[in-house]
Amino acid sequence: SAVISQKPSRDICQRGTSLTIQCQVDSQVTMMFWYRQQPGQSLTLIATANQGSEATYESGFVIDKFPISRPNLTFSTLTVSNMSPEDSSIYLCSVLGGNTEAFFGQGTRLTVV
Amino acid sequence: SQQGEEDPQALSIQEGENATMNCSYKTSINNLQWYRQNSGRGLVHLILIRSNEREKHSGRLRVTLDTSKKSSSLLITASRAADTASYFCATDEGYQKVTFGTGTKLQVIP
Repeated sequence: SAVISQKPSRDICQRGTSLTIQCQVDSQVTMMFWYRQQPGQSLTLIATANQGSEATYESGFVIDKFPISRPNLTFSTLTVSNMSPEDSSIYLCSVLGGNTEAFFGQGTRLTVV
Repeated sequence: SQQGEEDPQALSIQEGENATMNCSYKTSINNLQWYRQNSGRGLVHLILIRSNEREKHSGRLRVTLDTSKKSSSLLITASRAADTASYFCATDEGYQKVTFGTGTKLQVIP
């Protein structure tokens, strides 16, 4: 198993600003995953972050809006840029275990006003 | 696009009753997993069933998998108020990609 520390746990931000979410894992992992969960919805994968290379973004998500850093094998950040109320969601980081079971941080509940 | 479609979307039962949730998916999978999410927090992995398995148990949880019908079910027996949460199925399609279903919101009434 993996223990993931994600912060902040919640934030209220003004539109047009940016928020950086941090994710720290207690072990080294090759890939880290960032998800968005809009109110009442399921999880949608934003991107996969590999150490030493650019993140791979899913359809509908772009680097300019969601820049990701992965400076080492235990840490990653996701920035939500130029926020609008539509970005209000829960953002989750995740890693996979040996059987591809996913371990999650506690999530960041973002409200954009 | 979502891999798993779950039904029902919402389920309300009395404490002590059994809860059954169903998940259907579209493509071949390596395994199927179920997760619980409390109050919009991080998801917690409950159980994994491989594509060559048909049934698996873990405590009060029973999962079935029918690959011919591309469907799975999660049964929670003798439900408790603490089981109130959203439940998601997720499929491992290979290439380290796990895709989550639409979820079932379960309410257990004390």
